[in-house]
Amino acid sequence: DTGVSQDPRHKITKRGQNVTFRCDPISEHNRLYWYRQTLGQGPEFLTYFQNEAQLEKSRLLSDRFSAERPKGSFSTLEIQRTEQGDSAMYLCASSLALGASGSQNEQFFGPGTRLTVL
Amino acid sequence: AQTVTQSQPEMSVQEAETVTLSCTYDTSESDYYLFWYKQPPSRQMILVIRQEAYKQQNATENRFSVNFQKAAKSFSLKISDSQLGDAAMYFCAYRSAPYNNNDMRFGAGTRLTVKP
Repeated sequence: DTGVSQDPRHKITKRGQNVTFRCDPISEHNRLYWYRQTLGQGPEFLTYFQNEAQLEKSRLLSDRFSAERPKGSFSTLEIQRTEQGDSAMYLCASSLALGASGSQNEQFFGPGTRLTVL
Repeated sequence: AQTVTQSQPEMSVQEAETVTLSCTYDTSESDYYLFWYKQPPSRQMILVIRQEAYKQQNATENRFSVNFQKAAKSFSLKISDSQLGDAAMYFCAYRSAPYNNNDMRFGAGTRLTVKP
């Protein structure tokens, strides 16, 4: 499988619990992005990595959210003390590092992890 | 901050006909990229077409083409000869040039229904 994969595809949890999602990017891609998509809306940027370095974080990423990419390959997104407002689809995307060619900037998306907080 | 607006929450088209999805954006930057992504039901988002702002020529990909009006900050998607498999959510997206920030801004989406 050469695409972006995410695990789990669905997660149901109770308010106050911690959850962790995993994203495996396309193997040669050194950039990895996390987005959140709520029902009826487009994806909203959360954060991105170049290799293992987290280079940008959105204001949407509260203190309860943490993302890591320890070896510059897969990434995890953890949400602590989940709230009902965290219910959403969490999308991961990957791309090559930016270069002169626009085609290197294309982000390839995974299928997402749908989180439901009861 | 850049914003992307898709004013059509839903559109429908008859199979084999042509449909145009609208997108406008707001930016003070002169160099950027615009994208249309397709998200079929319960499936992952895929890139349909891309336009670099510095290119005057409108991008085309088979049955998909764009009408890029830089001065009007408009970026519409035309789907010709619509097929049942075109039914999906379509998102317009904006990203700054590489030497600026890297996050992508999406519109709220347009749900396209294709009638047989």
